[in-house]
Amino acid sequence: DQQVKQNSPSLSVQEGRISILNCDYTNSMFDYFLWYKKYPAEGPTFLISISSIKDKNEDGRFTVFLNKSAKHLSLHIVPSQPGDSAVYFCAASGRTGNQFYFGTGTSLTVIP
Amino acid sequence: GAGVSQTPSNKVTEKGKYVELRCDPISGHTALYWYRQSLGQGPEFLIYFQGTGAADDSGLPNDRFFAVRPEGSVSTLKIQRTERGDSAVYLCASSFSGGAGELFFGEGSRLTVL
Repeated sequence: DQQVKQNSPSLSVQEGRISILNCDYTNSMFDYFLWYKKYPAEGPTFLISISSIKDKNEDGRFTVFLNKSAKHLSLHIVPSQPGDSAVYFCAASGRTGNQFYFGTGTSLTVIP
Repeated sequence: GAGVSQTPSNKVTEKGKYVELRCDPISGHTALYWYRQSLGQGPEFLIYFQGTGAADDSGLPNDRFFAVRPEGSVSTLKIQRTERGDSAVYLCASSFSGGAGELFFGEGSRLTVL
């Protein structure tokens, strides 16, 4: 049973525009959420995180929004750049952090 | 290097053979994780070590899979009697202390079982 879902397998955005990647989760015990970025033939690299005590976290061009009541989070990238083209995974964990549950990923293509 | 190192990067084996995959975490990281990523899927949790002990092995699919971390640093994932369905990229990650923290992933070991 997929506890973290990314329903859009792919997204194309024009350079300079905003990219919005979405993620939904089912387990209300999750309280820590992360976004990872993955290039082909490389391991995922950490991008940004948010804990459940916040509803927004910003780091440069990247902002993550958390809506706990809807069990939904989103990653906004603005402005999008061609180098942002990659697969983006959202992940969630509970307080123990023993297991991180990953979504299936969204492949972002930023068109120059 | 400073990152998580995994060897081999690619392994092709025949059905029924035994395979070992190695992970060398970032120095000083006490937490080590193994994940498996199949084509078109996200990473799937297998096992988590805190120090030398397996704190959570609930993700291991069956008893053909086993992992060790005898000295609290390098870890080896062992797969016995490999099956075609074991073909995947096996990712290792480490973090400073476990818990709610960022995971640092290696590049993965791609296993192909013919």
